[in-house]
Amino acid sequence: AQSVTQLGSHVSVSEGALVLLRCNYSSSVPPYLFWYVQYPNQGLQLLLKYTTGATLVKGINGFEAEFKKSETSFHLTKPSAHMSDAAEYFCAVSYHDMRFGAGTRLTVKP
Amino acid sequence: KAGVTQTPRYLIKTRGQQVTLSCSPISGHRSVSWYQQTPGQGLQFLFEYFSETQRNKGNFPGRFSGRQFSNSRSEMNVSTLELGDSALYLCASTPDRGRNEQYFGPGTRLTVT
Repeated sequence: AQSVTQLGSHVSVSEGALVLLRCNYSSSVPPYLFWYVQYPNQGLQLLLKYTTGATLVKGINGFEAEFKKSETSFHLTKPSAHMSDAAEYFCAVSYHDMRFGAGTRLTVKP
Repeated sequence: KAGVTQTPRYLIKTRGQQVTLSCSPISGHRSVSWYQQTPGQGLQFLFEYFSETQRNKGNFPGRFSGRQFSNSRSEMNVSTLELGDSALYLCASTPDRGRNEQYFGPGTRLTVT
């Protein structure tokens, strides 16, 4: 069975600080992993994905994530937070269907 | 290319009523999935349709049903609404089945009173 766990339902950072959102997965097959972002009253938007190949994946808006098989992790990072990054972020693993984590709400303080 | 569209965007219904939500996928996408999003349960998979057939189903009661038409548009229906059905219902499409990224619509906010 496939599942993801997002550590921390709320993360708060100052503008310009590093953003780190944690995701650990469980998968019985090589995982396909995704990060999505959701702004208020909107659907989910794909930030980045890992399927195979390079373990460091770059996405939109300056975000990137690294697939670490040994740690079963796929943490999302951004070197410098911007106010517009405030949103909810979801990690997901795909097999027969897509399983989402519980989400992490990112707050960016001025 | 137009994105995934969902109608209506907002809906208020009374307990016991039924409701039908509509989703138009991105042109050329043949797979449509539905999700329920609530603050308490997060994002939960309802079902997936591909080529007018339900291919996968989540753990929801039979009151939740769906269908897909030959043009890939999909509808989901909830009968005998309960207060707990209040949620954001999201539709997502992909070109084909498989482990592809999904493209989400803006959702339909259903409130049951």
